[in-house]
Amino acid sequence: DVKVTQSSRYLVKRTGEKVFLECVQDMDHENMFWYRQDPGLGLRLIYFSYDVKMKEKGDIPEGYSVSREKKERFSLILESASTNQTSMYLCASSLRGRLNYGYTFGSGTRLTVV
Amino acid sequence: QKEVEQNSGPLSVPEGAIASLNCTYSDRGSQSFFWYRQYSGKSPELIMSIYSNGDKEDGRFTAQLNKASQYVSLLIRDSQPSDSATYLCAVYSGGYQKVTFGTGTKLQVIP
Repeated sequence: DVKVTQSSRYLVKRTGEKVFLECVQDMDHENMFWYRQDPGLGLRLIYFSYDVKMKEKGDIPEGYSVSREKKERFSLILESASTNQTSMYLCASSLRGRLNYGYTFGSGTRLTVV
Repeated sequence: QKEVEQNSGPLSVPEGAIASLNCTYSDRGSQSFFWYRQYSGKSPELIMSIYSNGDKEDGRFTAQLNKASQYVSLLIRDSQPSDSATYLCAVYSGGYQKVTFGTGTKLQVIP
């Protein structure tokens, strides 16, 4: 079964800490994405990558950075965690094609910043 | 700004009924359309994709697309309590491989 694996299900961090969220997919997908999901706001795109070492800003990149050194791994970095970054973080991947074929999501990381 | 609009619900239907979920989108050039199901506390799961006008059926699910009206819907026949979830509509409009999501419709199937 194909999978997108996020390293942590629940995470509690202190304000000002540097936080790393890891995502690994085993489907050989070119595209990878980081979203956050908050009640009433839906899914908001933070960053995405369509190839190794490539990254593009999404709708809400402020306070975040990403790294994609290998095709299967896409990391989200919170440079200095703040309480307004408390959220559910979802990683997704997809196959590149003329038509989008939909995403496969990881199980999510619920991050609490205290 | 590309938008995808859904009624947030909750939409309540009795068990065995047909649930009808609707979605409109603003970008007339949109090419691919998706429905995701998200159970509370879980991540979204792709359940239907549709690329051309008309209906696409998969088991109890039917996706309907009308590009002229910029409208996509999901019908769930013989609704079961296990169908109770939030359903997200998503649209791909070309370019980089990212989609735009609606905020979701919460469906409650009453036993």
